[in-house]
Amino acid sequence: DAKTTQPPSMDCAEGRAANLPCNHSTISGNEYVYWYRQIHSQGPQYIIHGLKNNETNEMASLIITEDRKSSTLILPHATLRDTAVYYCIVSRASGSRLTFGEGTQLTVNP
Amino acid sequence: DVKVTQSSRYLVKRTGEKVFLECVQDMDHENMFWYRQDPGLGLRLIYFSYDVKMKEKGDIPEGYSVSREKKERFSLILESASTNQTSMYLCASRTGQGVIEQYFGPGTRLTVT
Repeated sequence: DAKTTQPPSMDCAEGRAANLPCNHSTISGNEYVYWYRQIHSQGPQYIIHGLKNNETNEMASLIITEDRKSSTLILPHATLRDTAVYYCIVSRASGSRLTFGEGTQLTVNP
Repeated sequence: DVKVTQSSRYLVKRTGEKVFLECVQDMDHENMFWYRQDPGLGLRLIYFSYDVKMKEKGDIPEGYSVSREKKERFSLILESASTNQTSMYLCASRTGQGVIEQYFGPGTRLTVT
């Protein structure tokens, strides 16, 4: 699976959009981009995934560049409860292994 | 909602003890996983299971074994606990087809003294 690079930490004001970047320059054609988050003292939680088109669900939007070498997770109106570590993962659909790196610690400030 | 439960949130064991960590999921998922999470190392896959009685080694299986006798239950066994197995242990499950997310339990923080 391709390796990902994320900033170690980010801050965001409550009510504003949080844009979390991820680089995955070695992604291959059959690999998906997954995003998970982990709130303190809980297990990781799935957020969204995509292959090449932009995706949106009730939690977030995922923007993938045309060359698929990077992506951005957008939380449109961040709340204090969105404070968590966010993980960007690249994996094949059939692959069972999700490799979690260190992720980005997002802190939403009041 | 998918529910993945783990037998304990916190566990303290002595070096050399045999330790059982239990994980149960209620969504009839085929695949189940055990990870450990350590600061600076992220989540690392220990073992996973595609189906009942089937198991495969993950990235760090040494010192661990697993058991899957029923579809809903996946057990992680530390045959002889050591201090370097002090960690947060996370169980996850997913269905076996297509692009499917993994559902995680709340974790068990194991301390081996």
